[in-house]
Amino acid sequence: GQQLNQSPQSMFIQEGEDVSMNCTSSSIFNTWLWYKQDPGEGPVLLIALYKAGELTSNGRLTAQFGITRKDSFLNISASIPSDVGIYFCAGQLSGNTPLVFGKGTRLSVIA
Amino acid sequence: DVKVTQSSRYLVKRTGEKVFLECVQDMDHENMFWYRQDPGLGLRLIYFSYDVKMKEKGDIPEGYSVSREKKERFSLILESASTNQTSMYLCATPGQIYGYTFGSGTRLTVV
Repeated sequence: GQQLNQSPQSMFIQEGEDVSMNCTSSSIFNTWLWYKQDPGEGPVLLIALYKAGELTSNGRLTAQFGITRKDSFLNISASIPSDVGIYFCAGQLSGNTPLVFGKGTRLSVIA
Repeated sequence: DVKVTQSSRYLVKRTGEKVFLECVQDMDHENMFWYRQDPGLGLRLIYFSYDVKMKEKGDIPEGYSVSREKKERFSLILESASTNQTSMYLCATPGQIYGYTFGSGTRLTVV
């Protein structure tokens, strides 16, 4: 089955640093989403993107839907300890097709 | 907000046992999904359902089956549990507006 290429696999950063992660696909998607998973919990939606080229922010988080529809990135500015977790990208072709996920980026923040 | 409830947070089962993982959603959604999460592999789709008594195979259906007798409940069945089915299992349904809402997950250990 299809999976998205998400990088990096893991990151160790100092508190206050900015973080960038990205996701690529061999096929196009019409929706890109970014999720965060805290330990022992299910993933929670952070940002949803619906238009190619769209740039969307949610607090310290910014995500972009690539113009080719085959990629997306997520930036986190001024990281804090509660940003620790696993971040997943997901793509969806249409509302009736299941989400396809990346393998995740594990973020660790050193105070 | 959509609420997705998975009946067990932790389960330990013996090899060869038949295992039932239960998921209930409270928004009368037609679509429900079962994913499996393993370190380094991200979320992989096992089965999904678009309506009562309907089921579709995802990317890794081998060794699993599902049951959808009522719209709010979607059960994942391991016919004969094996150690390679030790994993975190996540149930999901469409969110309030975007993407999916996930349950808290069931961490299954097969010994």
